[in-house]
Amino acid sequence: AQTVTQSQPEMSVQEAETVTLSCTYDTSESDYYLFWYKQPPSRQMILVIRQEAYKQQNATENRFSVNFQKAAKSFSLKISDSQLGDAAMYFCAYSNTGNQFYFGTGTSLTVIP
Amino acid sequence: DVKVTQSSRYLVKRTGEKVFLECVQDMDHENMFWYRQDPGLGLRLIYFSYDVKMKEKGDIPEGYSVSREKKERFSLILESASTNQTSMYLCASSNYGTGVNEKLFFGSGTQLSVL
Repeated sequence: AQTVTQSQPEMSVQEAETVTLSCTYDTSESDYYLFWYKQPPSRQMILVIRQEAYKQQNATENRFSVNFQKAAKSFSLKISDSQLGDAAMYFCAYSNTGNQFYFGTGTSLTVIP
Repeated sequence: DVKVTQSSRYLVKRTGEKVFLECVQDMDHENMFWYRQDPGLGLRLIYFSYDVKMKEKGDIPEGYSVSREKKERFSLILESASTNQTSMYLCASSNYGTGVNEKLFFGSGTQLSVL
């Protein structure tokens, strides 16, 4: 079974600074998607960014970008110019061709004013 | 925008009760999922369904069952609720992309407490 590992249960960042959240995964497949989801206190899960495994170029969405290292099975999220609204639980997720999604245990991000 | 609606935001039940958690999506998605979220454990898949009347067990199906009689509705059933089923339950849906799911759309969750 695929596994997704987030080794940082909690992280903090000063407002306007940059923070990187780590994620590693284990799979034997070559075709898959990787995701970062954000869950604020409202509990509504929001897709932050998505990466297709066959694409070498790292995905970016405004202040959010990823560092996708396929050989190392690493998928980190970088948040630039951190804002108070970025405070949330962040989940890394993997999706395979079997229509299943696998989630990490989450990283709780605190933004310090 | 896709909307996934869970019928209850908070629910309190007693041990042994039969509990129904309802989820409805409005975008004609084929796939629907039930996850359980616990601190330190992330999201764990209970059941999923890729078509009406079809269901597949996830990682932690014990103590749960599901029903999908209509495409838009996916129900999670706790046949006899126990205290260890106190948790946050998240429903999600997705569509087939090119054979690989594009992304999940989530409901806002049901916090279930079993006393």
